[in-house]
Amino acid sequence: DTGVSQDPRHKITKRGQNVTFRCDPISEHNRLYWYRQTLGQGPEFLTYFQNEAQLEKSRLLSDRFSAERPKGSFSTLEIQRTEQGDSAMYLCASSQTTGVANQPQHFGDGTRLSIL
Amino acid sequence: SQKIEQNSEALNIQEGKTATLTCNYTNYSPAYLQWYRQDPGRGPVFLLLIRENEKEKRKERLKVTFDTTLKQSLFHITASQPADSATYLCALEGGANNLFFGTGTRLTVIP
Repeated sequence: DTGVSQDPRHKITKRGQNVTFRCDPISEHNRLYWYRQTLGQGPEFLTYFQNEAQLEKSRLLSDRFSAERPKGSFSTLEIQRTEQGDSAMYLCASSQTTGVANQPQHFGDGTRLSIL
Repeated sequence: SQKIEQNSEALNIQEGKTATLTCNYTNYSPAYLQWYRQDPGRGPVFLLLIRENEKEKRKERLKVTFDTTLKQSLFHITASQPADSATYLCALEGGANNLFFGTGTRLTVIP
C-alpha cells in the first residue's frame, strides 16, 4: 500500500506530557498538510509544507505545537505540555503540485489523541 | 469570516434512491471545491473536484454541481447502496493551498 501512513494510530497520555506523531506521505508528493478533527466536525487546517519548507501555520497552532519535515519526506507533529483540549484526531495529508490549480489531498487514517 | 454549511447533519434514504447533499458557503469565492467521503475512524477519501468554471462533474454514480452565483454545490449519489453510507465532507480552498471543510453530512442508505 503506497498511501499516506500515520503512526501511532492511537495515543493516550496524561495532561502535561509531550507527544509526537509521525506522517509518511505518498512518496512522490511534495506537499504535506496537518489537520485536526474533533467529533462531529470537519478537519481543521493546522500547517503545511512544500518539500522541507513550512509555508503556512494556522492560528490554531499554538506555541505548544511544532511540526517538522526535515528532508522533505516524512513529517512529525509534536505537542508539548498537552491539555484536555488537545484531544482530537490528527490527520496528515499529501498532494503533488502541478501547473493546474490545486490537486486533491490524500489523507492518512490519523492519530487519535486522548488526554487523561 | 468564511463559513461553509452542509444541509443537514444526517440524511437517511432508501436503497436505490438518489441522495442529494448540499454545501453552501458565504464570504468566499473559491476557485474550486472538493467532496470527500469519511468512514468512522478513517481519514477522508477524495471523491471529486470541481473548478469555478465548471458547472457539473460526474464520476460513475456521483455527480457534483457548482453554482458560484448561489454559492452552492450539490452532491448526488444515484442508485444509492448501503455501502454508500458514510459522512460526506465538502471542502473549499482555504487560501495558500489548504482546505476549509464543512462539518459533513452523515448519509445512511437503508436496505
